[in-house]
Amino acid sequence: RKEVEQDPGPFNVPEGATVAFNCTYSNSASQSFFWYRQDCRKEPKLLMSVYSSGNEDGRFTAQLNRASQYISLLIRDSKLSDSATYLCVVNWRDMRFGAGTRLTVKP
Amino acid sequence: EADIYQTPRYLVIGTGKKITLECSQTMGHDKMYWYQQDPGMELHLIHYSYGVNSTEKGDLSSESTVSRIRTEHFPLTLESARPSHTSQYLCASSGRISTEAFFGQGTRLTVV
Repeated sequence: RKEVEQDPGPFNVPEGATVAFNCTYSNSASQSFFWYRQDCRKEPKLLMSVYSSGNEDGRFTAQLNRASQYISLLIRDSKLSDSATYLCVVNWRDMRFGAGTRLTVKP
Repeated sequence: EADIYQTPRYLVIGTGKKITLECSQTMGHDKMYWYQQDPGMELHLIHYSYGVNSTEKGDLSSESTVSRIRTEHFPLTLESARPSHTSQYLCASSGRISTEAFFGQGTRLTVV
């Protein structure tokens, strides 16, 4: 079983849609959690950290459920520029990336 | 912008050659990582380090080696390149456990 598992995708949505990504992790000792964004042929970049209380950054909301070992990312009012691959990341002794979920937002 | 640099950005090399991919960061981060990523595929952790003189192998079986003699420098070496090594190699670093990882721009390696 992989340490970090994500929705396989791809997600193809119209502009303005709300889309949710899910992620589960296997190591209960994991201490910090992130969502990264990776554009085609570019390096991953931090989108947002994920806190137990849940956190929001504009149109993006991240949630963490430690009991279920589950992380989510919600994107509201999606834009064309949101098209990318979204990576769930879990940190304990090292940084483990999920396989990523590709999002395409269409006009 | 993150202060982590990889050289070269692109490398085309013949089979059997020894190569070293360079990675340097100026953020004073203790942790450094090497990932391998094929186009459109997921990142695979191949090596990581907690600090000077610390190196660990990741999940992906790799014929590469790393060293960490200085905090800021984490080079990756392939003793004998093969076409199966063709991929993108991404270096990253992070500070304390709760902080995010910053990535270099990657090295695209092609072995012919």
